[in-house]
Amino acid sequence: SQQGEEDPQALSIQEGENATMNCSYKTSINNLQWYRQNSGRGLVHLILIRSNEREKHSGRLRVTLDTSKKSSSLLITASRAADTASYFCATDATGTASKLTFGTGTRLQVTL
Amino acid sequence: GAVVSQHPSWVICKSGTSVKIECRSLDFQATTMFWYRQFPKQSLMLMATSNEGSKATYEQGVEKDKFLINHASLTLSTLTVTSAHPEDSSFYICSAKGFTDTQYFGPGTRLTVL
Repeated sequence: SQQGEEDPQALSIQEGENATMNCSYKTSINNLQWYRQNSGRGLVHLILIRSNEREKHSGRLRVTLDTSKKSSSLLITASRAADTASYFCATDATGTASKLTFGTGTRLQVTL
Repeated sequence: GAVVSQHPSWVICKSGTSVKIECRSLDFQATTMFWYRQFPKQSLMLMATSNEGSKATYEQGVEKDKFLINHASLTLSTLTVTSAHPEDSSFYICSAKGFTDTQYFGPGTRLTVL
C-alpha cells in the first residue's frame, strides 16, 4: 500500500495548547496537502506545500516538509474547541496525474 | 473559495437497486473529478479519476461495471452504484480540481443499502 502514515492516531489537548501532527509518505511527490474532516462531513482544504518548499504558514497553521525524510508536520497553535476534527495529509505523487493518496489521519480532540 | 456540492447527502436503498450520486463544482470548472470511498474511522480510498468527456480511470480492485462514472461537463460528474448490496454501504466523497493543484471536496454522500 502506498498510503501514508500519520501519528499520533489520536491526540487530546486542552484549548490554548499547540497540536502537532506528523505525516510520513513513501514516494516522490509534487506537493503535499493537509485536510480537516469533521465527523461525517466532507474535507476542508487547509494548506498545500510544494516539494520545493520547506515551510508554509496560514493563520494558526504551520506546515513543514522534509522531502529527504519523506515527512511533513502540521502545527496548530493556540488550539480551540472548534479545531476538534480528523486531520489528513494527502500526497500528490510524481507522475500520478494529481491523484491524492491519503494518510491514515489523526483524530484531534480539543477540550475546554 | 471553490465550492463542490454533492447530492444526495444521504440515501437508503434496497439491495439490488441502483443509486446515482451527483458531484458539482459550483464556481469553477473542474477539469478532473475524483471519487473516494471512506469507511467509518478510516481514511479515504480513491476509487476513480474522471476527466470531462473521457472515460474514467479506475483504481485497482474497483469494479468499473459496479461503479459507473460519467463526467459529462466541466461542472458535473456522477457516480452510479449499480445493483447495490449491503457491502457497498459507505461514505462516498467526490473532489474536483481545476487549473490549480488543490482538490476541493464535496460534503459526501452516506449510502446505506438494506
